[in-house]
Amino acid sequence: NAGVMQNPRHLVRRRGQEARLRCSPMKGHSHVYWYRQLPEEGLKFMVYLQKENIIDESGMPKERFSAEFPKEGPSILRIQQVVRGDSAAYFCASSPEHLTGELFFGEGSRLTVL
Amino acid sequence: AQSVTQPDIHITVSEGASLELRCNYSYGATPYLFWYVQSPGQGLQLLLKYFSGDTLVQGIKGFEAEFKRSQSSFNLRKPSVHWSDAAEYFCAVGEGGTASKLTFGTGTRLQVTL
Repeated sequence: NAGVMQNPRHLVRRRGQEARLRCSPMKGHSHVYWYRQLPEEGLKFMVYLQKENIIDESGMPKERFSAEFPKEGPSILRIQQVVRGDSAAYFCASSPEHLTGELFFGEGSRLTVL
Repeated sequence: AQSVTQPDIHITVSEGASLELRCNYSYGATPYLFWYVQSPGQGLQLLLKYFSGDTLVQGIKGFEAEFKRSQSSFNLRKPSVHWSDAAEYFCAVGEGGTASKLTFGTGTRLQVTL
């Protein structure tokens, strides 16, 4: 049973470009969460999605960031017009329909903005 | 707002020695508390969680943690550390009595000497 799959693992972008990070949850999981880890900091909650719905986006920056979890396919975190401060590790986690109190994390996507 | 403090940024212990990692939280109600471990370049793995009941919880890999409401603490312990335990450890609290929106501490990096 594959775990949470994130790609790309490493992404380099120049300032002003777009970054797209993908997350496929564990099989049977319908809840997806995105967290960001800045250097020397803990993970910070960004957004919580279920299929086709954003449940809580209180941690998302108001501009340039968006997330979706379509009916088919992976969840995508999109960052438009990246800036150097967006350089971070972005982690996706998933949980099953019946929340068990455990999030299953992917290995993260590390974004570097030049 | 809730917060988590891990006062030790870096700890070094000898293999076979005991370990205690400190975690203090700030949360108005009964918290949902978690300990996660992150190996280099990997995602986070849940070690243990506390929701209610017995204040001493057992986790995987021989770890345990004790919830002390009077001290707002949830310290992680292991009686005998193995070299493979070298990793970064994160304490987290769930907001609103959930496991979906976690507030993480900044982490404690554990180094194990042989």
